[in-house]
Amino acid sequence: KNEVEQSPQNLTAQEGEFITINCSYSVGISALHWLQQHPGGGIVSLFMLSSGKKKHGRLIATINIQEKHSSLHITASHPRDSAVYICAVSKDTDKLIFGTGTRLQVFP
Amino acid sequence: DADVTQTPRNRITKTGKRIMLECSQTKGHDRMYWYRQDPGLGLRLIYYSFDVKDINKGEISDGYSVSRQAQAKFSLSLESAIPNQTALYFCATSLRNEQFFGPGTRLTVL
Repeated sequence: KNEVEQSPQNLTAQEGEFITINCSYSVGISALHWLQQHPGGGIVSLFMLSSGKKKHGRLIATINIQEKHSSLHITASHPRDSAVYICAVSKDTDKLIFGTGTRLQVFP
Repeated sequence: DADVTQTPRNRITKTGKRIMLECSQTKGHDRMYWYRQDPGLGLRLIYYSFDVKDINKGEISDGYSVSRQAQAKFSLSLESAIPNQTALYFCATSLRNEQFFGPGTRLTVL
């Protein structure tokens, strides 16, 4: 069993829909990361969080340390949000353990 | 200019060839990483370096070697490439747990 599990693996949505991507992990962590990988391949960091909730524009990330679970929400989704969203955790160092990603497609 | 750069961006090579992938960064970070990404799998750590004199194997280091020539440069070598090393390779740096990725190198081994 992977230490970091994401669901769903694939997600399609209509423009404007509210989207949730889930991440569960089985190890003790120092931080959880949400990353975005666009079709061109580049990876950018969206959030790094160790507790509570963070918001950036239409993106919201939450984490529940007791339940070892995090969610990434996208409000008012747009076709430009189409990408692979990757959850990763760091334990006691900067090294990351990655989930396999959630492929999101948002249609106009 | 990008903070983390990788060269080449694409490479096709033949089985048995030696190949080097290069990574440079202008962020001034001590910590650097090499990952590979395969379809359906998460990124996996090949090697990492926490400073110029510190090199460590990751979970899939067999068949690879690295060189940290300076704080800004971290190279990955495939001594004798094989087809199952066909993948997308990423270099990254980190500071206080946040990681910064290069654009990736798509490597195909025929």
